[in-house]
Amino acid sequence: GNSVTQMEGPVTLSEEAFLTINCTYTATGYPSLFWYVQYPGEGLQLLLKATKADDKGSNKGFEATYRKETTSFHLEKGSVQVSDSAVYFCALSLSGNTPLVFGKGTRLSVIA
Amino acid sequence: KAGVTQTPRYLIKTRGQQVTLSCSPISGHRSVSWYQQTPGQGLQFLFEYFSETQRNKGNFPGRFSGRQFSNSRSEMNVSTLELGDSALYLCASSLNSQGGTEAFFGQGTRLTVV
Repeated sequence: GNSVTQMEGPVTLSEEAFLTINCTYTATGYPSLFWYVQYPGEGLQLLLKATKADDKGSNKGFEATYRKETTSFHLEKGSVQVSDSAVYFCALSLSGNTPLVFGKGTRLSVIA
Repeated sequence: KAGVTQTPRYLIKTRGQQVTLSCSPISGHRSVSWYQQTPGQGLQFLFEYFSETQRNKGNFPGRFSGRQFSNSRSEMNVSTLELGDSALYLCASSLNSQGGTEAFFGQGTRLTVV
Protein backbone atom coordinates (compact mmCIF):
# COMPACT_ATOMS: atom_id res chain seq x y z
CA GLY A 1 0.00 0.00 0.00
CA ASN A 2 0.89 3.66 -0.01
CA SER A 3 2.55 5.06 3.07
CA VAL A 4 4.71 7.86 4.42
CA THR A 5 7.33 7.51 7.13
CA GLN A 6 8.67 10.52 9.01
CA MET A 7 11.37 10.79 11.60
CA GLU A 8 10.09 10.55 15.13
CA GLY A 9 9.92 13.72 17.15
CA PRO A 10 10.01 15.83 19.05
CA VAL A 11 12.85 17.80 17.56
CA THR A 12 14.24 20.62 19.69
CA LEU A 13 16.56 23.18 18.13
CA SER A 14 18.05 26.49 19.08
CA GLU A 15 17.15 29.53 17.04
CA GLU A 16 19.19 29.84 13.82
CA ALA A 17 20.04 26.13 13.79
CA PHE A 18 19.77 24.02 10.65
CA LEU A 19 16.68 21.85 10.35
CA THR A 20 16.21 18.53 8.59
CA ILE A 21 13.08 16.42 8.94
CA ASN A 22 13.35 13.14 7.08
CA CYS A 23 10.47 11.76 5.04
CA THR A 24 10.38 8.63 2.91
CA TYR A 25 7.46 7.16 1.04
CA THR A 26 6.14 3.99 -0.50
CA ALA A 27 3.75 4.34 -3.40
CA THR A 28 2.34 2.21 -6.17
CA GLY A 29 2.69 4.97 -8.72
CA TYR A 30 4.28 8.39 -9.11
CA PRO A 31 2.92 10.52 -6.30
CA SER A 32 2.89 14.21 -5.68
CA LEU A 33 4.56 15.05 -2.40
CA PHE A 34 3.65 17.68 0.17
CA TRP A 35 4.76 19.16 3.45
CA TYR A 36 2.02 20.55 5.66
CA VAL A 37 2.49 22.49 8.89
CA GLN A 38 0.15 22.64 11.86
CA TYR A 39 0.53 25.45 14.38
CA PRO A 40 -0.97 25.00 17.87
CA GLY A 41 -4.75 25.01 17.81
CA GLU A 42 -4.91 25.29 14.04
CA GLY A 43 -5.63 23.13 11.03
CA LEU A 44 -3.01 22.15 8.47
CA GLN A 45 -1.45 24.61 6.06
CA LEU A 46 0.36 23.62 2.91
CA LEU A 47 4.03 24.54 3.28
CA LEU A 48 5.38 23.30 -0.06
CA LYS A 49 4.88 20.65 -2.69
CA ALA A 50 6.58 18.85 -5.57
CA THR A 51 4.76 16.99 -8.29
CA LYS A 52 7.52 15.09 -10.10
CA ALA A 53 10.99 13.69 -9.58
CA ASP A 54 13.80 16.23 -9.00
CA ASP A 55 11.32 19.05 -8.40
CA LYS A 56 12.22 21.29 -5.48
CA GLY A 57 9.43 22.84 -3.45
CA SER A 58 10.23 25.93 -1.41
CA ASN A 59 8.41 28.40 0.79
CA LYS A 60 9.28 30.65 3.76
CA GLY A 61 12.89 29.44 3.75
CA PHE A 62 11.89 25.77 3.78
CA GLU A 63 12.92 23.46 0.94
CA ALA A 64 12.37 19.85 -0.04
CA THR A 65 13.50 17.95 -3.14
CA TYR A 66 11.57 15.03 -4.64
CA ARG A 67 14.11 12.19 -4.83
CA LYS A 68 12.67 9.27 -6.75
CA GLU A 69 15.80 7.14 -6.44
CA THR A 70 15.67 7.24 -2.64
CA THR A 71 11.87 7.73 -2.40
CA SER A 72 12.47 10.67 -0.13
CA PHE A 73 11.26 14.24 0.39
CA HIS A 74 13.27 15.60 3.29
CA LEU A 75 12.36 19.03 4.66
CA GLU A 76 15.19 21.49 5.31
CA LYS A 77 15.61 25.03 6.55
CA GLY A 78 18.91 26.78 6.97
CA SER A 79 18.04 28.90 10.02
CA VAL A 80 14.97 28.17 12.12
CA GLN A 81 13.06 30.72 14.15
CA VAL A 82 10.95 30.37 17.28
CA SER A 83 7.90 31.01 15.09
CA ASP A 84 8.66 27.78 13.17
CA SER A 85 7.65 25.74 16.22
CA ALA A 86 4.84 23.51 14.97
CA VAL A 87 4.05 19.98 13.83
CA TYR A 88 5.18 19.13 10.31
CA PHE A 89 3.47 16.48 8.19
CA CYS A 90 4.79 14.85 5.06
CA ALA A 91 2.11 13.59 2.69
CA LEU A 92 1.66 12.02 -0.71
CA SER A 93 -1.12 12.01 -3.26
CA LEU A 94 -1.44 9.74 -6.26
CA SER A 95 -3.09 10.64 -9.51
CA GLY A 96 -6.77 10.01 -9.81
CA ASN A 97 -9.28 10.24 -7.06
CA THR A 98 -7.15 9.18 -4.12
CA PRO A 99 -6.90 10.88 -0.75
CA LEU A 100 -3.81 12.36 0.81
CA VAL A 101 -1.73 9.89 2.81
CA PHE A 102 0.02 11.49 5.77
CA GLY A 103 2.99 10.62 7.89
CA LYS A 104 2.54 10.71 11.66
CA GLY A 105 3.97 14.19 11.98
CA THR A 106 7.12 15.60 13.58
CA ARG A 107 6.86 18.15 16.35
CA LEU A 108 9.49 20.89 16.15
CA SER A 109 10.28 23.14 19.08
CA VAL A 110 12.65 26.05 18.53
CA ILE A 111 14.04 27.75 21.60
CA ALA A 112 15.51 31.24 21.76
CA LYS B 1 -11.26 34.82 -0.33
CA ALA B 2 -12.67 33.02 2.68
CA GLY B 3 -10.99 29.84 3.79
CA VAL B 4 -12.48 26.54 4.84
CA THR B 5 -14.88 27.03 7.73
CA GLN B 6 -15.67 24.31 10.21
CA THR B 7 -18.35 24.56 12.85
CA PRO B 8 -18.46 24.22 15.73
CA ARG B 9 -14.86 24.59 16.88
CA TYR B 10 -15.41 22.64 20.07
CA LEU B 11 -17.94 20.04 21.16
CA ILE B 12 -18.44 17.98 24.27
CA LYS B 13 -20.78 15.01 23.97
CA THR B 14 -21.72 12.03 26.08
CA ARG B 15 -21.17 8.41 25.11
CA GLY B 16 -24.04 7.07 23.06
CA GLN B 17 -25.05 10.44 21.67
CA GLN B 18 -24.68 11.45 18.07
CA VAL B 19 -22.98 14.52 16.61
CA THR B 20 -23.01 16.44 13.34
CA LEU B 21 -20.05 18.51 12.19
CA SER B 22 -20.19 21.03 9.37
CA CYS B 23 -17.68 22.16 6.77
CA SER B 24 -18.00 25.00 4.27
CA PRO B 25 -15.34 24.72 1.58
CA ILE B 26 -13.64 27.52 -0.30
CA SER B 27 -15.95 28.96 -2.92
CA GLY B 28 -15.63 27.02 -6.17
CA HIS B 29 -14.10 23.95 -4.55
CA ARG B 30 -16.06 20.79 -5.27
CA SER B 31 -14.07 18.23 -3.31
CA VAL B 32 -14.37 17.95 0.46
CA SER B 33 -12.43 15.43 2.53
CA TRP B 34 -12.65 14.61 6.22
CA TYR B 35 -9.85 13.43 8.47
CA GLN B 36 -9.67 12.33 12.09
CA GLN B 37 -6.58 13.40 14.02
CA THR B 38 -5.60 11.74 17.29
CA PRO B 39 -2.27 11.67 19.17
CA GLY B 40 -2.00 7.92 18.77
CA GLN B 41 -3.14 7.35 15.19
CA GLY B 42 -2.19 10.63 13.58
CA LEU B 43 -4.23 11.79 10.59
CA GLN B 44 -6.64 9.19 9.28
CA PHE B 45 -8.79 9.64 6.21
CA LEU B 46 -12.53 9.30 6.76
CA PHE B 47 -14.16 10.03 3.41
CA GLU B 48 -14.19 12.35 0.44
CA TYR B 49 -17.10 13.88 -1.41
CA PHE B 50 -17.09 15.36 -4.88
CA SER B 51 -20.19 16.91 -6.43
CA GLU B 52 -22.43 15.37 -3.77
CA THR B 53 -21.06 11.85 -4.31
CA GLN B 54 -18.85 9.92 -1.93
CA ARG B 55 -15.73 9.12 -3.97
CA ASN B 56 -13.52 7.54 -1.35
CA LYS B 57 -13.99 6.06 2.06
CA GLY B 58 -11.47 5.24 4.75
CA ASN B 59 -11.47 2.34 7.15
CA PHE B 60 -13.96 3.57 9.73
CA PRO B 61 -17.11 1.88 11.06
CA GLY B 62 -20.52 2.67 9.69
CA ARG B 63 -21.20 4.97 12.65
CA PHE B 64 -19.26 7.55 10.69
CA SER B 65 -21.15 8.98 7.76
CA GLY B 66 -21.20 12.10 5.70
CA ARG B 67 -22.89 13.95 2.94
CA GLN B 68 -22.35 16.87 0.63
CA PHE B 69 -24.91 19.38 -0.49
CA SER B 70 -25.34 21.03 -3.87
CA ASN B 71 -23.44 24.11 -2.67
CA SER B 72 -20.49 21.80 -1.78
CA ARG B 73 -20.96 22.27 1.96
CA SER B 74 -20.44 19.00 3.76
CA GLU B 75 -21.50 17.45 7.03
CA MET B 76 -20.23 14.43 8.85
CA ASN B 77 -22.20 12.53 11.43
CA VAL B 78 -21.03 10.18 14.13
CA SER B 79 -23.69 8.09 15.82
CA THR B 80 -23.49 6.19 19.09
CA LEU B 81 -20.41 8.06 20.21
CA GLU B 82 -17.60 6.19 21.95
CA LEU B 83 -14.82 7.58 24.13
CA GLY B 84 -12.35 6.71 21.37
CA ASP B 85 -14.08 9.09 18.99
CA SER B 86 -12.57 12.01 20.88
CA ALA B 87 -10.38 13.69 18.30
CA LEU B 88 -9.78 16.73 16.14
CA TYR B 89 -11.86 16.37 12.97
CA LEU B 90 -10.41 18.22 10.01
CA CYS B 91 -12.09 19.10 6.77
CA ALA B 92 -10.14 19.86 3.60
CA SER B 93 -11.39 21.31 0.35
CA SER B 94 -9.84 21.32 -3.10
CA LEU B 95 -10.84 22.24 -6.61
CA ASN B 96 -11.02 18.61 -7.59
CA SER B 97 -9.79 15.33 -6.22
CA GLN B 98 -6.94 14.79 -8.64
CA GLY B 99 -3.52 13.93 -7.34
CA GLY B 100 -1.29 16.93 -6.89
CA THR B 101 -4.18 19.29 -6.24
CA GLU B 102 -3.60 21.42 -3.18
CA ALA B 103 -5.93 20.74 -0.26
CA PHE B 104 -6.90 23.59 2.06
CA PHE B 105 -7.75 22.67 5.63
CA GLY B 106 -10.12 24.20 8.11
CA GLN B 107 -9.20 24.78 11.75
CA GLY B 108 -11.00 21.65 12.78
CA THR B 109 -13.66 20.66 15.26
CA ARG B 110 -12.38 19.29 18.52
CA LEU B 111 -14.78 16.65 19.77
CA THR B 112 -14.56 15.39 23.32
CA VAL B 113 -16.67 12.39 24.30
CA VAL B 114 -17.21 11.92 28.03
